[in-house]
Amino acid sequence: RKEVEQDPGPFNVPEGATVAFNCTYSNSASQSFFWYRQDCRKEPKLLMSVYSSGNEDGRFTAQLNRASQYISLLIRDSKLSDSATYLCVVNMGMDTGRRALTFGSGTRLQVQP
Amino acid sequence: NAGVMQNPRHLVRRRGQEARLRCSPMKGHSHVYWYRQLPEEGLKFMVYLQKENIIDESGMPKERFSAEFPKEGPSILRIQQVVRGDSAAYFCASSLTNSGANVLTFGAGSRLTVL
Repeated sequence: RKEVEQDPGPFNVPEGATVAFNCTYSNSASQSFFWYRQDCRKEPKLLMSVYSSGNEDGRFTAQLNRASQYISLLIRDSKLSDSATYLCVVNMGMDTGRRALTFGSGTRLQVQP
Repeated sequence: NAGVMQNPRHLVRRRGQEARLRCSPMKGHSHVYWYRQLPEEGLKFMVYLQKENIIDESGMPKERFSAEFPKEGPSILRIQQVVRGDSAAYFCASSLTNSGANVLTFGAGSRLTVL
């Protein structure tokens, strides 16, 4: 099982649609969670952190379900500019010996006019 | 604030040559991370360094790859005797601390092509 697993997509949605991505992680002791966005041939950029209580930033809502070990990202009213790859990122926890963030392979979103 | 600076942005090497990739972290950041991204794949962790110390190199191939972050100057990722499979984008990131809620700021990446 991958440490951080995402559906690669692509998700093709029309402008204005609502789209949701899920991500599962393997280590129940994982401590912190993020969504990053990566445009084609560019560097990843932080989209938002994911808090236990869930959090919202404009059209974007992130949720964490520790019991089921998954994270979700909801995008409402999709824009053409939302087209990108969305990376689920996890701090796996000290018991793994991994001191850096672990990235999922990403879910590709294509918003169409 | 210049952000994380990586150079060269593009590097072409022939098989068997050496590649050196440099990374200057954001001002005030003392933690540097290197990730590799193969075409059409996700980012894979390679190594995490602080000044003069390698903290975690669990993602580094055992041979031909090395990294350093000297007291003065940028972090360097060195690949000896490159092979075609080393062709990838190499991203450097830096952070202020290594707390559990750490946020990474990435450089624009160095794209290595091995002929």
